[in-house]
Amino acid sequence: GAVVSQHPSWVICKSGTSVKIECRSLDFQATTMFWYRQFPKQSLMLMATSNEGSKATYEQGVEKDKFLINHASLTLSTLTVTSAHPEDSSFYICSARTVLNTEAFFGQGTRLTVV
Amino acid sequence: QKEVEQDPGPLSVPEGAIVSLNCTYSNSAFQYFMWYRQYSRKGPELLMYTYSSGNKEDGRFTAQVDKSSKYISLFIRDSQPSDSATYLCAMSAVSNYQLIWGAGTKLIIKP
Repeated sequence: GAVVSQHPSWVICKSGTSVKIECRSLDFQATTMFWYRQFPKQSLMLMATSNEGSKATYEQGVEKDKFLINHASLTLSTLTVTSAHPEDSSFYICSARTVLNTEAFFGQGTRLTVV
Repeated sequence: QKEVEQDPGPLSVPEGAIVSLNCTYSNSAFQYFMWYRQYSRKGPELLMYTYSSGNKEDGRFTAQVDKSSKYISLFIRDSQPSDSATYLCAMSAVSNYQLIWGAGTKLIIKP
């Protein structure tokens, strides 16, 4: 299957700082990328849908000014958690779908801990 | 009522048993059906992908879709301890590519 690379796999940051997470589709072009958040023992919660070259569409209740998403190319999307707080600590996962919008492939996830 | 229902388990079976995992859904527009496996603290891994109704087999895994009943299944034959993980179903409609997820079923294969 296609490969989606997500970095970093884990990060610890101080409260008030910003953290950027990268998501790359290595061997295919992803017109659409998705960003999820997952709490322990819970399913994935969609945060936003990112289309290349346009603004991301955020799900209800997700602060767009706090979770900045940029999808500048067909192979790269970034999620920046701004002014992070301990309650932002979570597992963040990106996903990319192929041009045909069928199968979705996931990155390995980023565990963010805000101290 | 959630669009996709999936029993969170845990489901515990002995090694070698046949495992049956299921999801039901309410939106008849769903056409694409996927099963993902997620190990602890890892991203989901696509296992099976099915379009519309029918069966699909890949090694020890078989995916079934029954659109008339709005019911999908994943069967695992000759289950192994390494199959212990959370299995998530996901689906989407033809015109809307947003994936709708089940809650995930935690599967435990006992040696």
